[in-house]
Amino acid sequence: EAGVAQSPRYKIIEKRQSVAFWCNPISGHATLYWYQQILGQGPKLLIQFQNNGVVDDSQLPKDRFSAERLKGVDSTLKIQPAKLEDSAVYLCASSISSGTDYNEQFFGPGTRLTVL
Amino acid sequence: AQSVAQPEDQVNVAEGNPLTVKCTYSVSGNPYLFWYVQYPNRGLQFLLKYITGDNLVKGSYGFEAEFNKSQTSFHLKKPSALVSDSALYFCAVRDPGGFKTIFGAGTRLFVKA
Repeated sequence: EAGVAQSPRYKIIEKRQSVAFWCNPISGHATLYWYQQILGQGPKLLIQFQNNGVVDDSQLPKDRFSAERLKGVDSTLKIQPAKLEDSAVYLCASSISSGTDYNEQFFGPGTRLTVL
Repeated sequence: AQSVAQPEDQVNVAEGNPLTVKCTYSVSGNPYLFWYVQYPNRGLQFLLKYITGDNLVKGSYGFEAEFNKSQTSFHLKKPSALVSDSALYFCAVRDPGGFKTIFGAGTRLFVKA
């Protein structure tokens, strides 16, 4: 079974530039998550999709971050414009959704973003 | 609001000795609790979870965790540590009926040969 795919693995940009990250979840997984993991901290949920609908985006800085999952499969997270404090690892995860909320999440390798 | 605490930034243990990585939580109602492990340059991997039932849950790689409702804890344990267990461990909690999983800050486990 293929895991969660993310690209790129690494990205270096200047502040005020834009950047996009891509995620392809495990086939058949209805729920997709984007997390931000700052060095020395645990992952923080940015946005959660159930199929192509948003379940939770309460911690997504909507003035600069956006995400979409148009066909209920792969997803894109965008930052525009980037700030220095956006330097972090961006993790994508997916889980089977069967109407319950205790399924474990499967994580991709992450994208390490450095904003200079 | 739900929260989770991992009071130790790092745990050091000798190979062959038992290990414990601590986790406490705060949530309304009965929690769903998880442990994940992160190896260098790899994504987080699920180890085990507590949903209901037996307070002692067993997971991957010989790990187990004990749910203690009165102490609101969910400590991760292994009877005999391996050098290959050295990694970053995250405890996570989800409020039943809620959508969000909250992760702790992580505990780095270092197993010395």
